[in-house]
Amino acid sequence: DIAVTQSPDSLAVSLGERATINCKTSQSVLSGRNNKNYLAWYQKKPGQPPKLLIFWASARESGVPDRFTGGGSGTDFTLTISSLQAEDVADYYCQQYFNVPITFGQGTRLEIK
Amino acid sequence: EVQLVESGGGVVQPGGSLRLSCAVSGFTFNDHYMDWVRQTPGKGLEWVGRSRNKAYNYLTSYAASVEGRFTISRDDSRNSLYLQMNSLKIEDTAVYFCTRCSVGDGYNPYWGQGILVTVSS
Repeated sequence: DIAVTQSPDSLAVSLGERATINCKTSQSVLSGRNNKNYLAWYQKKPGQPPKLLIFWASARESGVPDRFTGGGSGTDFTLTISSLQAEDVADYYCQQYFNVPITFGQGTRLEIK
Repeated sequence: EVQLVESGGGVVQPGGSLRLSCAVSGFTFNDHYMDWVRQTPGKGLEWVGRSRNKAYNYLTSYAASVEGRFTISRDDSRNSLYLQMNSLKIEDTAVYFCTRCSVGDGYNPYWGQGILVTVSS
């Protein structure tokens, strides 16, 4: 199984500042077949289902604000929010879908400082 | 518009059984992989299992934590996905989400609202 580890577990950032969340997989999720990283990011707010933000490590889902950026390759990935807004307070999860079992990171709680 | 609506949750005693249903609409059901994902109270997201599409003969896969106890099935005539949960444990208490996977790939753009399953004596 591919283990997924996020850091930090929680993060407090001032409004308008940059927030960066890290995600590390225990083995590469970069496919040699199509040169794509099988890594996604989700936003989870209480009482709501997870919302897909980023897939293929850096492709932004339709409707997601461009302040959300995914990066990285192989085993190390980042989600960056360039200018934190109040509505970005949430838990964030990365997910590898390179193979089953699909695995998620433990989550990062993002708060306003 | 893609819609996924779960039903069948509730309270069950340890060792009991429960079947969740997910009614889908807005897409061709048998073209898509479908996953169940859960979130335990105060904890993170956990993938439960997958039903692949018709092209892959609806092959299923499960997380180790539920293998042998949970079974995913689907009824294309009813546009419905099911999760049969047997031998339930207290640690199965969670909100269960039905999700549709992206075409040909394994990430999850579409989610139901979720349904609560509580395992308690």
